[in-house]
Amino acid sequence: GAGVSQSPSNKVTEKGKDVELRCDPISGHTALYWYRQSLGQGLEFLIYFQGNSAPDKSGLPSDRFSAERTGGSVSTLTIQRTQQEDSAVYLCASSLVLAAQETQYFGPGTRLLVL
Amino acid sequence: AQSVSQHNHHVILSEAASLELGCNYSYGGTVNLFWYVQYPGQHLQLLLKYFSGDPLVKGIKGFEAEFIKSKFSFNLRKPSVQWSDTAEYFCAVKDSSASKIIFGSGTRLSIRP
Repeated sequence: GAGVSQSPSNKVTEKGKDVELRCDPISGHTALYWYRQSLGQGLEFLIYFQGNSAPDKSGLPSDRFSAERTGGSVSTLTIQRTQQEDSAVYLCASSLVLAAQETQYFGPGTRLLVL
Repeated sequence: AQSVSQHNHHVILSEAASLELGCNYSYGGTVNLFWYVQYPGQHLQLLLKYFSGDPLVKGIKGFEAEFIKSKFSFNLRKPSVQWSDTAEYFCAVKDSSASKIIFGSGTRLSIRP
């Protein structure tokens, strides 16, 4: 079966532009996460969707960042008015939560470069 | 709030050396614990996980980890590393009541051939 897919794989944009990053989770997975990985840094949690619950947005670094998940499946992370410090690899992961047990599966990431 | 600490930021070993990477977490209740690996140019892959039962967990490629509840630790071990183990290793934890999995900052492992 297909794993988590993300598009685009690479994105180069100019400072001030908006970008949209897409994540297609594994079919049937109820939970979806977005992370940011900067060069030499660990995984920075951004946002978490679980079923129909309100998303946990506690990791979004500013109000320029937003995400939505339509129909409980595909998710889009939007960064408005991009800044150079937004350059990073944006990772998506999905998981199936069963009886409080959960294992995440990661996509390949989108490498964002803001010039 | 739960947190995960990986105290070794960069470990350099020779081939055939034994490996132990530290992972400590802050939550005192029931936890799910994970180790992920990211090989150069590849995406994150699950190495092993602990949910319950035997605290010594076997994973892929000869890795194992031991959950020691009294020490809030879940250290990763391998008796004899290979050059191909060069990667970044991430520990992660989810407590039974939290909504999300939390990752440590990662440990970069470099193996000298």
